[in-house]
Amino acid sequence: QKEVEQDPGPLSVPEGAIVSLNCTYSNSAFQYFMWYRQYSRKGPELLMYTYSSGNKEDGRFTAQVDKSSKYISLFIRDSQPSDSATYLCAQGRGSARQLTFGSGTQLTVLP
Amino acid sequence: GAGVSQSPSNKVTEKGKDVELRCDPISGHTALYWYRQSLGQGLEFLIYFQGNSAPDKSGLPSDRFSAERTGGSVSTLTIQRTQQEDSAVYLCASSLDGRATDTQYFGPGTRLTVL
Repeated sequence: QKEVEQDPGPLSVPEGAIVSLNCTYSNSAFQYFMWYRQYSRKGPELLMYTYSSGNKEDGRFTAQVDKSSKYISLFIRDSQPSDSATYLCAQGRGSARQLTFGSGTQLTVLP
Repeated sequence: GAGVSQSPSNKVTEKGKDVELRCDPISGHTALYWYRQSLGQGLEFLIYFQGNSAPDKSGLPSDRFSAERTGGSVSTLTIQRTQQEDSAVYLCASSLDGRATDTQYFGPGTRLTVL
């Protein structure tokens, strides 16, 4: 079993839709939770970061963490064609510096 | 300022050949990471450098893989006797202090194809 499971998609939505992206993880040692966005042929870039259960909002993006069920989500409101990318969840722990990534969900927002 | 740069952007090689991939981290960043991204897979950690400390090599898949970081800056990932399963995008990232909470900034990657 992978430490982090993420539905690879692809996911296709119309412009303006609310998008929900999800990951589950199995290792309780994970303390930090991130979402990275990766455009085609580019490196991942950090989108959201949180280290506690609950919600964190940044503009159109909301990251949600439920440590009790080991479930993390990213919501995108009023999605735009420029949001079309692969979204990767990532987890970190204090004892190790490297991140553990999900396989990524490919999102396409249609104009 | 300049971000993480990697070269070459693409590399095509024949099975059995050795390859070297280069990473230039953000100036002033003491931590440097190598990851591998295969088709349909998430990023897989390979190796981590922090300052002058011994690198964490726990993610290297075999002894054909090695990496060094000279002068605490530029890093080179070397793959000896390449195999077709080594085909992937190799991503380098750097962070300021290497703390678990530091943001890792990624380069654009090197796309390696082993024929």
